[in-house]
Amino acid sequence: EAGVAQSPRYKIIEKRQSVAFWCNPISGHATLYWYQQILGQGPKLLIQFQNNGVVDDSQLPKDRFSAERLKGVDSTLKIQPAKLEDSAVYLCASRVSLNTEAFFGQGTRLTVV
Amino acid sequence: GQQLNQSPQSMFIQEGEDVSMNCTSSSIFNTWLWYKQDPGEGPVLLIALYKAGELTSNGRLTAQFGITRKDSFLNISASIPSDVGIYFCAGQGFNKFYFGSGTKLNVKP
Repeated sequence: EAGVAQSPRYKIIEKRQSVAFWCNPISGHATLYWYQQILGQGPKLLIQFQNNGVVDDSQLPKDRFSAERLKGVDSTLKIQPAKLEDSAVYLCASRVSLNTEAFFGQGTRLTVV
Repeated sequence: GQQLNQSPQSMFIQEGEDVSMNCTSSSIFNTWLWYKQDPGEGPVLLIALYKAGELTSNGRLTAQFGITRKDSFLNISASIPSDVGIYFCAGQGFNKFYFGSGTKLNVKP
């Protein structure tokens, strides 16, 4: 079974630029998460999708972050404009249902300079 | 988001020693999970616990779901160098996944 795919693996941008990350969850997984992991900390939930609907985006900085999951499969997370404090690893995870464990992608390491 | 208190923050042990780490929360969770994260990688699931009081093993790893549903521990027996990494607990509440701050494990050969 293929795992959660994320791209790119690494991205370096200047502050005030925009950036987008892509996630392809495991086939058949209805629930998809985006997490932000700052160095030395645990992952922090940004947004949760159930199919193509948003379940929770309470911790998403909506003035600069946006995410979508068209057709309930792939998802993209965008930051526009980026700030220095957005430097982190952005993790995507998916699960079949709310009663099963989540599997993570390798993450995208973003550096904002 | 809800806070999961994970301890210790870091551990330095000798190869062959046993390790114990735990996670507590002020909230009840339906599921506890333990993940390991290597540098540059996403977290990898080690053990999932679905019932209060459940004790589950996976090789040298043993984890328990506390009776109160507010805590969990992970034990690693006979540690080896490849156990090095950061271990995260995660609690699943209604619709959400919360992570602890991690325990960084260092194993000296």
